[in-house]
Amino acid sequence: AQTVTQSQPEMSVQEAETVTLSCTYDTSESDYYLFWYKQPPSRQMILVIRQEAYKQQNATENRFSVNFQKAAKSFSLKISDSQLGDAAMYFCAWKSGYGNKLVFGAGTILRVKS
Amino acid sequence: KAGVTQTPRYLIKTRGQQVTLSCSPISGHRSVSWYQQTPGQGLQFLFEYFSETQRNKGNFPGRFSGRQFSNSRSEMNVSTLELGDSALYLCASSLSNSYEQYFGPGTRLTVT
Repeated sequence: AQTVTQSQPEMSVQEAETVTLSCTYDTSESDYYLFWYKQPPSRQMILVIRQEAYKQQNATENRFSVNFQKAAKSFSLKISDSQLGDAAMYFCAWKSGYGNKLVFGAGTILRVKS
Repeated sequence: KAGVTQTPRYLIKTRGQQVTLSCSPISGHRSVSWYQQTPGQGLQFLFEYFSETQRNKGNFPGRFSGRQFSNSRSEMNVSTLELGDSALYLCASSLSNSYEQYFGPGTRLTVT
């Protein structure tokens, strides 16, 4: 079975600084996708970024970028120029290429200090 | 385009009752998935429907069931509610396998 592990229950970052959230996963499939979702206190899940496993290039969305290490099964999220609005729970998720079942990690609470 | 909508947003039920939750996907999306979020178990996949067919099912008892209509709207039913069913139920829609899922605001179910 596929598993996703987020080893950092909580992280803190100073406003305008950079923070990296860690995620590792385990799968025997070759076709899959990885995602980072953000869940603010409103509980609305918001897609932050996605990565297709077949793409070697790391995905980037504005201040958010990933470091995808396929061989190591690692998928970390880097947030640059952190803003107060980035404070939320962040979930790493895995999905097979053959369905829409998301397997989530336990989440990392990100606190942003002003 | 309107986002994923879920109704009701909040619900309080008594043990033993049954409940139906509704999810309307983004227009054009044919896949709808349901997730349960609890502090203890985190986010767990319940099931996915695609073009009115259940395509995948998580490890939940048979008390949890769902269906999808021809307009892609989906309902989830939980019968014989237990205290442990108290959770945030999230629904997500997607165009197909290759596309990301977009989540609704969730239904907060409290079982007393």
